[in-house]
Amino acid sequence: GQQLNQSPQSMFIQEGEDVSMNCTSSSIFNTWLWYKQDPGEGPVLLIALYKAGELTSNGRLTAQFGITRKDSFLNISASIPSDVGIYFCAGRLTGNQFYFGTGTSLTVIP
Amino acid sequence: DVKVTQSSRYLVKRTGEKVFLECVQDMDHENMFWYRQDPGLGLRLIYFSYDVKMKEKGDIPEGYSVSREKKERFSLILESASTNQTSMYLCASSWAGGMAQHFGDGTRLSIL
Repeated sequence: GQQLNQSPQSMFIQEGEDVSMNCTSSSIFNTWLWYKQDPGEGPVLLIALYKAGELTSNGRLTAQFGITRKDSFLNISASIPSDVGIYFCAGRLTGNQFYFGTGTSLTVIP
Repeated sequence: DVKVTQSSRYLVKRTGEKVFLECVQDMDHENMFWYRQDPGLGLRLIYFSYDVKMKEKGDIPEGYSVSREKKERFSLILESASTNQTSMYLCASSWAGGMAQHFGDGTRLSIL
């Protein structure tokens, strides 16, 4: 299957700081998704991106579909304790199958 | 809101047993998916279905089969459970055409 490189693997930040993470692929993707997973729960969709260059916000979260179509970025502004969790990117080439990154574990220190 | 319901949150079975994991979605989605999630490996696709009675293999189908007799229900079957199938199993559904997937809460399966 396709390999998505998600970085960083983990982050430890102070409450109030901004967070940036990214996902890269060797292939051109047509869709990028970003999910958050809390411990013991299923991933929850945060943002969906369907066009190259697209920039979409969801509250304090902003994600971008890279112009090369091989990468995507997620930013979280002014982090709060409930932002703790694992963030996954997912990309789609064609058809219905998505490929997932290995996740970024975020810890917010109050 | 989309609701994807997995029948069990936790399940413990013995090696060699036939195991059924059930998933139901309430949004009339065409597509349904089964993943397993392991530490450091992310989510890996086992099987997916784009219509009733239709199925396609994902990246790791060995040791698994699936059934989709009704549009809202997608079952994952472990034909003869083995210890290396101990994992978190996630079901998801979506509209056709590569739209965003919505996940259930997962089933944590332990094979002893």
